[in-house]
Amino acid sequence: DTAVSQTPKYLVTQMGNDKSIKCEQNLGHDTMYWYKQDSKKFLKIMFSYNNKELIINETVPNRFSPKSPDKAHLNLHINSLELGDSAVYFCASSPFTGNTGELFFGEGSRLTVL
Amino acid sequence: SQQGEEDPQALSIQEGENATMNCSYKTSINNLQWYRQNSGRGLVHLILIRSNEREKHSGRLRVTLDTSKKSSSLLITASRAADTASYFCATDAWGGFKTIFGAGTRLFVKA
Repeated sequence: DTAVSQTPKYLVTQMGNDKSIKCEQNLGHDTMYWYKQDSKKFLKIMFSYNNKELIINETVPNRFSPKSPDKAHLNLHINSLELGDSAVYFCASSPFTGNTGELFFGEGSRLTVL
Repeated sequence: SQQGEEDPQALSIQEGENATMNCSYKTSINNLQWYRQNSGRGLVHLILIRSNEREKHSGRLRVTLDTSKKSSSLLITASRAADTASYFCATDAWGGFKTIFGAGTRLFVKA
């Protein structure tokens, strides 16, 4: 039973298109995150949500819009895709708030923008 | 901004040898964590050490933390080919809602 699941695993699209990545966790955690991992493996936090409320937005362009319909789901919608958006996007969850602690990651969604 | 920086960037050793990876960070932290990432997979939590702890063990893993030097090390003893992966340190600041990751060390263990 997958703890943090993301779909799709792979996404190939043209510049200018809009795409979404979905994330669900069945761990009962209150806090969820989106991270972006670039081609050099550097992992950068994008958003943090606690119980459906946006807590952290790390100066991400407003083409990226996260949505949390409930605390078990955190989706990421990206408008007007650019070449630089190509990366692996990871969803994660944590049972902790405030000082975080252990993160549980999904398997990642590899986005390729042509 | 990037908090943790790992050293070395890449490490190649023979099976059975020990592997040591180092991490430095810039600001005060509540805890420091190490994660492993196998190729094409998500990150898996290995161990967490709190700012008031100096050393922690878990199986073949040993983590040290020196808050005065703002550094940590991860030692993997008796390495196996299955330990081949990227290893990341990550820090949590006091009162923050985010975990900041370093750039990672790529470990290759030759059978």
